[in-house]
Amino acid sequence: DGGITQSPKYLFRKEGQNVTLSCEQNLNHDAMYWYRQDPGQGLRLIYYSQIVNDFQKGDIAEGYSVSREKKESFPLTVTSAQKNPTAFYLCASAKETSGRGNTGELFFGEGSRLTVL
Amino acid sequence: QKEVEQDPGPLSVPEGAIVSLNCTYSNSAFQYFMWYRQYSRKGPELLMYTYSSGNKEDGRFTAQVDKSSKYISLFIRDSQPSDSATYLCAMRDYGQNFVFGPGTRLSVLP
Repeated sequence: DGGITQSPKYLFRKEGQNVTLSCEQNLNHDAMYWYRQDPGQGLRLIYYSQIVNDFQKGDIAEGYSVSREKKESFPLTVTSAQKNPTAFYLCASAKETSGRGNTGELFFGEGSRLTVL
Repeated sequence: QKEVEQDPGPLSVPEGAIVSLNCTYSNSAFQYFMWYRQYSRKGPELLMYTYSSGNKEDGRFTAQVDKSSKYISLFIRDSQPSDSATYLCAMRDYGQNFVFGPGTRLSVLP
């Protein structure tokens, strides 16, 4: 089945540790995104990538890093520099949306919940 | 003023009621409008996607867009307990900028 797979679903981290969240999609989508979701707030964009080997910072990129070495994969590293990393992290993908008439729907994975101990 | 405003709820309705969920936005560049349903501890699931002003119907769901008023709505007819979830509106311009509302939590009581 086509979709977006995030792992792990739950992750615990000690302060000062880096952790990497995995995101894989088999939808053949060009664009991939990482969002952070906190209670009572809308989704906030961390990073996005429109093509392999290229990515842009979103609104809250500080303390995070990403890579896009393959079209299917967009891992997110939460570094020790992120001051408040406990949150629900969502990976998403979309068809390339440049120009009018493209579909542009955003599809999400099931999320990864990170808790800092 | 936030780019996208959404009544946070929570909203409780009896089973069978018609539910109206609403978002307003300030950026006239938004052209594509989406509604997502998110169950607790799950990723958002796309319910409706619309481009033009007007109504779009899919089963018990109707999405309404009024670009002149910068207002979108999602109507749920014959609501069911399984509709209990958080509903997120989202919108996008012609680029890659998706913006989300904070979500409305809905409870449908049997």
